[in-house]
Amino acid sequence: AQKITQTQPGMFVQEKEAVTLDCTYDTSDPSYGLFWYKQPSSGEMIFLIYQGSYDQQNATEGRYSLNFQKARKSANLVISASQLGDSAMYFCAMREVQSFNNNDMRFGAGTRLTVKP
Amino acid sequence: EAQVTQNPRYLITVTGKKLTVTCSQNMNHEYMSWYRQDPGLGLRQIYYSMNVEVTDKGDVPEGYKVSRKEKRNFPLILESPSPNQTSLYFCASKNPANYGYTFGSGTRLTVV
Repeated sequence: AQKITQTQPGMFVQEKEAVTLDCTYDTSDPSYGLFWYKQPSSGEMIFLIYQGSYDQQNATEGRYSLNFQKARKSANLVISASQLGDSAMYFCAMREVQSFNNNDMRFGAGTRLTVKP
Repeated sequence: EAQVTQNPRYLITVTGKKLTVTCSQNMNHEYMSWYRQDPGLGLRQIYYSMNVEVTDKGDVPEGYKVSRKEKRNFPLILESPSPNQTSLYFCASKNPANYGYTFGSGTRLTVV
């Protein structure tokens, strides 16, 4: 069963504007972590931000923030003041602490963000 | 520098010719994993290893083998590659502090 859903295959944003990339997840585990990774055209996976299920505040890392809505099971990534270098594929991922077989990191299908000058 | 090193970055091979993709990490992480990335499917786990000599199947293990003889190395073996194994492969190790993954730079494999 799909546990991580990214409904936006592609997104466009104007340079210097903010953009929100959507991510919803499904779990019955009360303890879990949510991650966002960036994959530029060069292919490497770059860790951006982490949110724990028990964290009271939304995570922030520079221009990245995670809009965590636990009841809705959503973990949207917000990028403020977009830059041309933000053009990349973005993956949402979830780790369940009590995963049955320790195959514990699930990824969404990704969203390709293009920043327009 | 803490890192996961994968080799090669690019590989073109023919159907049936055995190949190995190497992966090495210098962070003393116990948990390592292999993923393949395909368009529209995100990353899917092939195999993982919780420690030396402890490996297990992920979601898409068919056609692959792994070994974990020492903590730092976790090679991925394709005994008889087929065209449907053309993909982008990532090795990763898990940070026990926050359980986030550090990824290798990826191996783009083409099987013709």
